[in-house]
Amino acid sequence: AQSVSQHNHHVILSEAASLELGCNYSYGGTVNLFWYVQYPGQHLQLLLKYFSGDPLVKGIKGFEAEFIKSKFSFNLRKPSVQWSDTAEYFCAVTRPYSGGGADGLTFGKGTHLIIQP
Amino acid sequence: SQTIHQWPATLVQPVGSPLSLECTVEGTSNPNLYWYRQAAGRGLQLLFYSVGIGQISSEVPQNLSASRPQDRQFILSSKKLLLSDSGFYLCAWSVPFSLYTEAFFGQGTRLTVV
Repeated sequence: AQSVSQHNHHVILSEAASLELGCNYSYGGTVNLFWYVQYPGQHLQLLLKYFSGDPLVKGIKGFEAEFIKSKFSFNLRKPSVQWSDTAEYFCAVTRPYSGGGADGLTFGKGTHLIIQP
Repeated sequence: SQTIHQWPATLVQPVGSPLSLECTVEGTSNPNLYWYRQAAGRGLQLLFYSVGIGQISSEVPQNLSASRPQDRQFILSSKKLLLSDSGFYLCAWSVPFSLYTEAFFGQGTRLTVV
């Protein structure tokens, strides 16, 4: 079964600082990769996704992520964070043609990001 | 287009009372269905998943159960709630056996057991 590791459970940054949240997965085959965001009191939203092609993926609100296959990583980045980026961020992995179940969709434990004004 | 409905949005229940959370998906057939729980500081924990009607797999032994009485309906239940059942419950679906498998989430249910 695949697993997803998010290295930083809590991150505190000041506004305008650069952000990088780490995500590593364990599965050796082809994967689909996602970052979700959950703002305080809101539901889970898709931030960006990678299926194939250009390993540098751009998402909403200025976020981007880079898929590095050799490192099994899909780190999330933003050059300059804003107070409104305070949220919980989840990395997730699915496997193509998966029949579903626990191996079909795996999440990291999340990173709680706090941006100080 | 596909949509997912989850209700209720919030729920406050006393300890020992029963629970029923419902999730329905529209616009797709034979989806994979999931129930997750998000407890404070513990990330997203997969509780149950289903690959078809009547087919339920449990990831974590606990006080909860799930059922899939219809293709696009997924129900999370409990006969007697515990304080530890409090949390944010999310339903999700995905397309099985797809090259580009993506999960789609409901709005979630905030459950407080008092």
